[in-house]
Amino acid sequence: DSGVTQTPKHLITATGQRVTLRCSPRSGDLSVYWYQQSLDQGLQFLIQYYNGEERAKGNILERFSAQQFPDLHSELNLSSLELGDSALYFCASSETGFPDTQYFGPGTRLTVL
Amino acid sequence: DQQVKQNSPSLRVQEGRISILNCDYTNSMFDYFLWYKKYPAEGPTFLISISSIKDKNEDGRFTVFLNKSAKHLSLHIVPSQPGDSAVYFCAASVGPRTGTASKLTFGTGTRLQVTL
Repeated sequence: DSGVTQTPKHLITATGQRVTLRCSPRSGDLSVYWYQQSLDQGLQFLIQYYNGEERAKGNILERFSAQQFPDLHSELNLSSLELGDSALYFCASSETGFPDTQYFGPGTRLTVL
Repeated sequence: DQQVKQNSPSLRVQEGRISILNCDYTNSMFDYFLWYKKYPAEGPTFLISISSIKDKNEDGRFTVFLNKSAKHLSLHIVPSQPGDSAVYFCAASVGPRTGTASKLTFGTGTRLQVTL
């Protein structure tokens, strides 16, 4: 158990819909990262927050947005969903905003039908 | 543009033998490298890391070697055990001195199967 929790574990929805994925980092970790893993792909970095502020952005679509709240939990919002958005979405946390080990949650599997 | 490449999607090794997983990168700015292990239905778990100022780092049965001139790193597992069967991801990052944030760029993974 990494100490990072993600809800829900599974999500099935239809095209055009909007969903919210939630992540609670390890206690004391200020940095939260979101990654997307599509079929047969490596993890693609989406976005990083550090202590409530956006720190880095990867290949995140404009239809996707995220935020980190004062209690440090984070939400990833995916809107106008397309079939290609079906993937595993991982959240990770680390103690600092600098490159060190990131602890991953178990992921949310999103299926868009 | 895949900046971190793991060209072997799968590897099969006998128990007790050495497993060697390879990773190549193209971005010369990367200076921190990590290996993660992933079991089905779980998130990746950190295994071992290496900074570009080193060429080797060991942790028990796991050793990571870094060849900066070749932009290549490898993970050696000796001896391999059935419990090592998992997908292994190589990841790379640009260090804090550049002022950029610490996003990790991952390879596509190598599925290791350790047989009895």
